[in-house]
Amino acid sequence: AQSVSQHNHHVILSEAASLELGCNYSYGGTVNLFWYVQYPGQHLQLLLKYFSGDPLVKGIKGFEAEFIKSKFSFNLRKPSVQWSDTAEYFCAVTTSGTYKYIFGTGTRLKVLA
Amino acid sequence: NAGVTQTPKFQVLKTGQSMTLQCAQDMNHNSMYWYRQDPGMGLRLIYYSASEGTTDKGEVPNGYNVSRLNKREFSLRLESAAPSQTSVYFCASREVAGIYNEQFFGPGTRLTVL
Repeated sequence: AQSVSQHNHHVILSEAASLELGCNYSYGGTVNLFWYVQYPGQHLQLLLKYFSGDPLVKGIKGFEAEFIKSKFSFNLRKPSVQWSDTAEYFCAVTTSGTYKYIFGTGTRLKVLA
Repeated sequence: NAGVTQTPKFQVLKTGQSMTLQCAQDMNHNSMYWYRQDPGMGLRLIYYSASEGTTDKGEVPNGYNVSRLNKREFSLRLESAAPSQTSVYFCASREVAGIYNEQFFGPGTRLTVL
């Protein structure tokens, strides 16, 4: 069965620190990968997505993610975080033509001003 | 263009009561989903509807029923609420076609069962 692992459950950073959140999935076929963000009290919003092509994907608010097929990974990065990046981040995977998304358990990021 | 809307935003029930959570989308998406979100467990799929007229169980369907009323609306019913169903419920919709594959989420319903 497909699964998504986010190993960092809680991350605390100071403003201007660099961020990398891990995401690993288990599926051998073609995948579509997503990162969603949930700000406090809000619903999930799409940060970025990967379907094909350049494995380095750029999203909104300065976030990027790199798809490394050999490692089954899709890690999220940001060079310099801001206080407003405090949120919960979810990685998700689906396969082309299927209906189900598989979400990771989320990483709660707190950025200290 | 409202996207995905959910009602109510908050609800408190007593054990054994029933209620229906409503969801509607105006993006003409074929697929719709119901998730529950619990601390430390991420989002778990309760039911989904690949297209109008079809529904399928997800990861945690017990205690819930759904109705895909039409293309726009997908409701979730709790027939006899239990404290274990205290959660935040999110509805989502998606067009499963090519690169337009992301899910769009509603604002959520926070449900407490006493």
